Amino acid sequence: DAKTTQPNSMESNEEEPVHLPCNHSTISGTDYIHWYRQLPSQGPEYVIHGLTSNVNNRMASLAIAEDRKSSTLILHRATLRDAAVYYCILKETSGSRLTFGEGTQLTVNP
Amino acid sequence: NAGVTQTPKFQVLKTGQSMTLQCAQDMNHNSMYWYRQDPGMGLRLIYYSASEGTTDKGEVPNGYNVSRLNKREFSLRLESAAPSQTSVYFCASSRLLAGGLTDTQYFGPGTRLTVL
Repeated sequence: DAKTTQPNSMESNEEEPVHLPCNHSTISGTDYIHWYRQLPSQGPEYVIHGLTSNVNNRMASLAIAEDRKSSTLILHRATLRDAAVYYCILKETSGSRLTFGEGTQLTVNP
Repeated sequence: NAGVTQTPKFQVLKTGQSMTLQCAQDMNHNSMYWYRQDPGMGLRLIYYSASEGTTDKGEVPNGYNVSRLNKREFSLRLESAAPSQTSVYFCASSRLLAGGLTDTQYFGPGTRLTVL
């Protein structure tokens, strides 16, 4: 499985944008880029995914580099509820496994 | 919809005891998964079931067995618990996303297991 590299931790202030980076230099052409997050004492939850183009949904935006070797999850206005561990995961086809790294612990300051 | 439910929420076992963790989903998903999460680490896949009637080993299957009882239910059994199996166990199920080429997983709340 292709690997991803994320910073161990990041900090943000409430109501400011947050850019969470992810490097995946060995990504293959069929790998989707998925982001999940895990709030304290909960199971992970899906945030967003993309293949080549930038993507937006109600939770976040995903910016994918043109060469697909890196991506950035963007939270437009961080709230205290966004404090979580964010995982960037490369995923092949449907029904295949998710391989979790250690993710980025995001702290949001009031 | 309840989503993915897991029972029990907490369990304490003695070394050598057996138990079964139960998982059910009401979203009509085909694929289901069992993960474990040790403190400060990401999740690791134990077993998964791509569809009813099939199961496959994941990254850390030793010491575990699974049963895909029907489309809704996927259980995880520890035959002889060991302290190294102290962990939080998450069950998940997945549905196809638009385009049908990838899917998203929905996770249960977890079972916190301690083996003494």
